[in-house]
Amino acid sequence: NAGVTQTPKFQVLKTGQSMTLQCAQDMNHNSMYWYRQDPGMGLRLIYYSASEGTTDKGEVPNGYNVSRLNKREFSLRLESAAPSQTSVYFCASKEGTASSYEQYFGPGTRLTVT
Amino acid sequence: GENVEQHPSTLSVQEGDSAVIKCTYSDSASNYFPWYKQELGKRPQLIIDIRSNVGEKKDQRIAVTLNKTAKHFSLHITETQPEDSAVYFCAATYSGNTPLVFGKGTRLSVIA
Repeated sequence: NAGVTQTPKFQVLKTGQSMTLQCAQDMNHNSMYWYRQDPGMGLRLIYYSASEGTTDKGEVPNGYNVSRLNKREFSLRLESAAPSQTSVYFCASKEGTASSYEQYFGPGTRLTVT
Repeated sequence: GENVEQHPSTLSVQEGDSAVIKCTYSDSASNYFPWYKQELGKRPQLIIDIRSNVGEKKDQRIAVTLNKTAKHFSLHITETQPEDSAVYFCAATYSGNTPLVFGKGTRLSVIA
């Protein structure tokens, strides 16, 4: 069991470039999440997918889009990167049922936009 | 929506002493309260959680207490060790398929 995996681990972009962050889980979880973490700001939710086929905005969705490709995969796209999007991005997943609430994080992607 | 506040933002303790981190939440419907530990450069890891039908839960040196009436919950670490040094996050939610709402974190330093 790999759990939650993310690619790439590190990325440097120039302002205006686009990229997609990939996330996959092998735990058969229904719900998947994208967070960003900035110093002193904790973990802020960007977008989430409560179940396959659905996506919803979180606290800080501007500048991002997501795709729930299938039950395993949930990608985050930056269409035109800005320096304010420099951050560490974490994907997470959980079973998302009434009996199971535990949420597990991926290893993170450290993104720098110059 | 739910709002979770966490205090203190930084905490320094001597090795062997106890550490307590407190969180308050706003939504009385919240019923699940996990705590995560994040070491430098690593992902947040779930260390303990509690459901609203329980007042206290222990796992070796860590414990979580919940006061539903006052809408606050706390993490207690006893006999602290240098490897307990990390950032700790509390969170809350009211159902299995709704997002966790996180506090802003507490940086714990255990001084040897």
